[in-house]
Amino acid sequence: KAGVTQTPRYLIKTRGQQVTLSCSPISGHRSVSWYQQTPGQGLQFLFEYFSETQRNKGNFPGRFSGRQFSNSRSEMNVSTLELGDSALYLCASSSTRDKAFFGQGTRLTVV
Amino acid sequence: EDQVTQSPEALRLQEGESSSLNCSYTVSGLRGLFWYRQDPGKGPEFLFTLYSAGEEKEKERLKATLTKKESFLHITAPKPEDSATYLCAVCTLMNRDDKIIFGKGTRLHILP
Repeated sequence: KAGVTQTPRYLIKTRGQQVTLSCSPISGHRSVSWYQQTPGQGLQFLFEYFSETQRNKGNFPGRFSGRQFSNSRSEMNVSTLELGDSALYLCASSSTRDKAFFGQGTRLTVV
Repeated sequence: EDQVTQSPEALRLQEGESSSLNCSYTVSGLRGLFWYRQDPGKGPEFLFTLYSAGEEKEKERLKATLTKKESFLHITAPKPEDSATYLCAVCTLMNRDDKIIFGKGTRLHILP
């Protein structure tokens, strides 16, 4: 069974640009969550999608948005990038609340 | 304010030297506590979920326990391949929605 796939693995963007990250969950998983991981703040929850609807949202500005498609694949968008947005962005998929399976992450660097 | 604190931040052990990692939490209502392992450059890997005080779960050299205020991850006779960052997370109910809060992790290094 294929795991959670995130693309791209690495990305370098300029301040002010926007970026879109993609996540393909494990087949059959309908829940996809996004996290930001930085050395200073650790893992912070961004939002969760379930059956194409946002079910939960963390405390991030409106520049961070996401969506989920009918095949459960999800995208995360960050507009007007800031230097502080440099981080590892992780996606996790799950079929139950008992456990989540993470992808390898997308390393975003904003210069 | 809901909070998850892991200690120590870093731990170096000799191979075979058993120890415990701590995760203390302050949340309004615990729906579950999770332990993950994260290797450098990779996403977290699920280890355990605990739901109520007194619950214990084991996997190979790892054993997780839960009380009303904290969880411990006990590592028995660790090997170098157990070196990783161990993350604790809690799921709590906030405004009718689940909220996941991660601790900052414990970096574990096992010396051969």
